[in-house]
Amino acid sequence: EAQVTQNPRYLITVTGKKLTVTCSQNMNHEYMSWYRQDPGLGLRQIYYSMNVEVTDKGDVPEGYKVSRKEKRNFPLILESPSPNQTSLYFCASSGRGETQYFGPGTRLLVL
Amino acid sequence: AQSVTQPDIHITVSEGASLELRCNYSYGATPYLFWYVQSPGQGLQLLLKYFSGDTLVQGIKGFEAEFKRSQSSFNLRKPSVHWSDAAEYFCAVGAYGNKLVFGAGTILRVKS
Repeated sequence: EAQVTQNPRYLITVTGKKLTVTCSQNMNHEYMSWYRQDPGLGLRQIYYSMNVEVTDKGDVPEGYKVSRKEKRNFPLILESPSPNQTSLYFCASSGRGETQYFGPGTRLLVL
Repeated sequence: AQSVTQPDIHITVSEGASLELRCNYSYGATPYLFWYVQSPGQGLQLLLKYFSGDTLVQGIKGFEAEFKRSQSSFNLRKPSVHWSDAAEYFCAVGAYGNKLVFGAGTILRVKS
């Protein structure tokens, strides 16, 4: 089954404690993205990747890091989380010019 | 820069009534346009998309949308709303790098 998986689905952490949210897709897609969803703001792109070792900033990259060492994986790293990073995070993947597939979301609470 | 405006934050319709959700976009080239739906606590489900061709697009669950270039709009419609359609709806435009630029969303409430 074609899918995008994210782990964990729910996470509560404290300010400054490094965390990683994993994202994996099984569709051999070149493009992968991370979005955050906040009430009244819709979804905003954090980072995206157009292929292995090719990443670039989206609209709200501050406080986040990503890497793309393998085509299927695109982890999101918060080196020092802060409460304003409390949000719902979505990973997405697609082929070139194709519809994006979204993961189920990761709900993060930073205390 | 690309942007999407969904003018209505909340809409309430009666079950069985027709629905139109508005979406206006700003994009320099021919846009790729999408409507997604998100039920409470759920992820995003693609309702329909417009890439090119016929400007009236049919989607899942009885939804359709019409691309109007002159008005920079891509409004979503459904002739008869069901209680299960209550959700949040997002319009999005595709941009460089397969990025999606989303509107702020419209929350649909259905009253019986």
